[in-house]
Amino acid sequence: DIRMTQSPSSLSASVGDRVTITCRASQSIRNYLVWYQQKPGKAPKLLIFAASTLQDGVPSRFSGSGSGTDFTLTISSLQPEDFATYYCQHSDGPPRTFGQGTKVEIK
Amino acid sequence: QVQLQESGPGLVKPSQTLSLTCTVSGGSVSSGAYYWTWIRQHPGRGLEWIGYIYFSGSTYYNPSLQSRLTMSVDTSKNQFSLRLNSVTAADTAVYYCAREPRSRYYMDVWGKGTTVTVSS
Repeated sequence: DIRMTQSPSSLSASVGDRVTITCRASQSIRNYLVWYQQKPGKAPKLLIFAASTLQDGVPSRFSGSGSGTDFTLTISSLQPEDFATYYCQHSDGPPRTFGQGTKVEIK
Repeated sequence: QVQLQESGPGLVKPSQTLSLTCTVSGGSVSSGAYYWTWIRQHPGRGLEWIGYIYFSGSTYYNPSLQSRLTMSVDTSKNQFSLRLNSVTAADTAVYYCAREPRSRYYMDVWGKGTTVTVSS
């Protein structure tokens, strides 16, 4: 199985900060990389697919980049509603696997 | 719009079978456009992909669960289901059902999740 590794596991940031989360795949997954946001007690929400395509309705402050094995999720100006846990997931064949998550907390 | 809702027992005894159903509303499980997926999340931990089923009944299971897992689809009830046998405490988790559009490679609609505890 393809292993997905996110860093950092958690971070503290302030409203307005630029935040970057990285995700590394154990082998090339081309651009088959998805990002989800999860808030406590809620199901994950799709943010970005195909590494860089924003899902409809997702604010443009979210962006994704990368291909092959290294990917990033960037929040250009953190908003109060962005405090959550973010997961990457590969979709280059089954089984799908997720990163361990990055918790974004208020500084 | 499409909504998914998980249902099933919240408590299962060790060695027994965990059975969950996902009811699809606002759409059809018979649509050939989607894979119907199960994911779980252990308490305080990350997400684990369990597997998916297509309306035809074809499946792909996570190899780590394959020996204990069965998925099925009931087009008459617009539902799909998961059965996991010989459960242990390690199967305690929130179980989510989700929809993955074929050839899109992401899960765009999720149920709210249901908590299953394995305990005697």
